[in-house]
Amino acid sequence: NAGVTQTPKFQVLKTGQSMTLQCAQDMNHEYMSWYRQDPGMGLRLIHYSVGAGITDQGEVPNGYNVSRSTTEDFPLRLLSAAPSQTSVYFCASSYSSRGPLSREKLFFGSGTQLSVL
Amino acid sequence: DAKTTQPNSMESNEEEPVHLPCNHSTISGTDYIHWYRQLPSQGPEYVIHGLTSNVNNRMASLAIAEDRKSSTLILHRATLRDAAVYYCILIITDKLIFGTGTRLQVFP
Repeated sequence: NAGVTQTPKFQVLKTGQSMTLQCAQDMNHEYMSWYRQDPGMGLRLIHYSVGAGITDQGEVPNGYNVSRSTTEDFPLRLLSAAPSQTSVYFCASSYSSRGPLSREKLFFGSGTQLSVL
Repeated sequence: DAKTTQPNSMESNEEEPVHLPCNHSTISGTDYIHWYRQLPSQGPEYVIHGLTSNVNNRMASLAIAEDRKSSTLILHRATLRDAAVYYCILIITDKLIFGTGTRLQVFP
């Protein structure tokens, strides 16, 4: 049982490049989400999904796309990288089908450090 | 907007109890209060959560005010490994709202 796996751990991009951050979980969790964390700050929600085929925006969705074609995977796409997207990105999942999300605890990945030059 | 308010930092000596406060005056009646902590260079880690009554687990205790507008995370005996940023979080319709957290320093 690997939990929540994020790849890559580190990435450097040039302005304007696109890339996909991968997130996979093997716990059959319905809820998955992406956060970004800037230095000295808390986490901010980018996008989330309550199940396969369903996604929604969080606090800071601009510049990012997501899709949820399977229960296990929730990739985050940067369409045209900008220096303002330099951050640490965390994926999290939770088993929410039994009731409100707030009843369940979240499991986080170890993060992806992204630098955009 | 719903949010939580925590002190920026707190200090403790090793093996002493630590009480980390959080105000969440806009919490709704059915939402749980969650606490996570983040060790340096790691993802957040679940600590505890509760709804109305106090909760205990192997990591900590959670004391929730009767009006649910505030809560306190209690570490009964701080260790050096407890040095981290502790986040008090509300979950609002499938969105977890993090504040800036409390940085806990533990001294030997």
